[in-house]
Amino acid sequence: DIQMTQSPSSLSASVGDRVTITCRASQGIRNDLGWYQQRPGKTPKRLIYATSTLQSGVPSRFSGSGSGTEFTLTISSLQPEDFATYYCLQYNTDPWTFGQGTKVEIK
Amino acid sequence: EVQLLESGGGLVQPGGSLRLSCVASGFTFSSYHMGWVRQAPGKGLEWVSGIYESVGSTFYADSVKGRFTISRDNSKNTVYLQMNSLRAEDTALYYCAKGWGDRWGQGTLVTVSS
Repeated sequence: DIQMTQSPSSLSASVGDRVTITCRASQGIRNDLGWYQQRPGKTPKRLIYATSTLQSGVPSRFSGSGSGTEFTLTISSLQPEDFATYYCLQYNTDPWTFGQGTKVEIK
Repeated sequence: EVQLLESGGGLVQPGGSLRLSCVASGFTFSSYHMGWVRQAPGKGLEWVSGIYESVGSTFYADSVKGRFTISRDNSKNTVYLQMNSLRAEDTALYYCAKGWGDRWGQGTLVTVSS
């Protein structure tokens, strides 16, 4: 199975900060990667698919990049509603696998 | 509007079985692969199983392989997860997901305990 390693596992940031989360795949997955946001007590929500395509309705402060084995989610200016846990998901190879998550907390 | 409605969760003893269902609406069900994702209390997400548009093509996480079976009935817009030989570590909120997770249901809670 492909292992997805996310870093950091948690971070503290302030409103307005630029935040970057990284996901590394144990083998190449082309661009078959998505990013998900989960607020406490809520259902996960897809932000990005195909590495860099923004889901409809998602604010443009979210962006994704990368290819092969290294991928990045960037929030250009953190907003209060962005404090949540973020997960990457590879869907290149069965079984699909998530990263362990990155919790973004208020500094 | 896309809707995914899960049912079938509950309390079951170790070694027991449950069958989860997810009824979909608001999209052409037969054109999409579907999946089940779970989240144990306080833990991360795990993609448990998926079934592609062509019936018969499925995959499973290693943690459930040989115990869980995913299936779909395109005439009923429904995807199922048959869970056998349940263990305490299968306790989780089980979500139904469309495609590569572009839409999720609200989840159904499975608790395995004696």
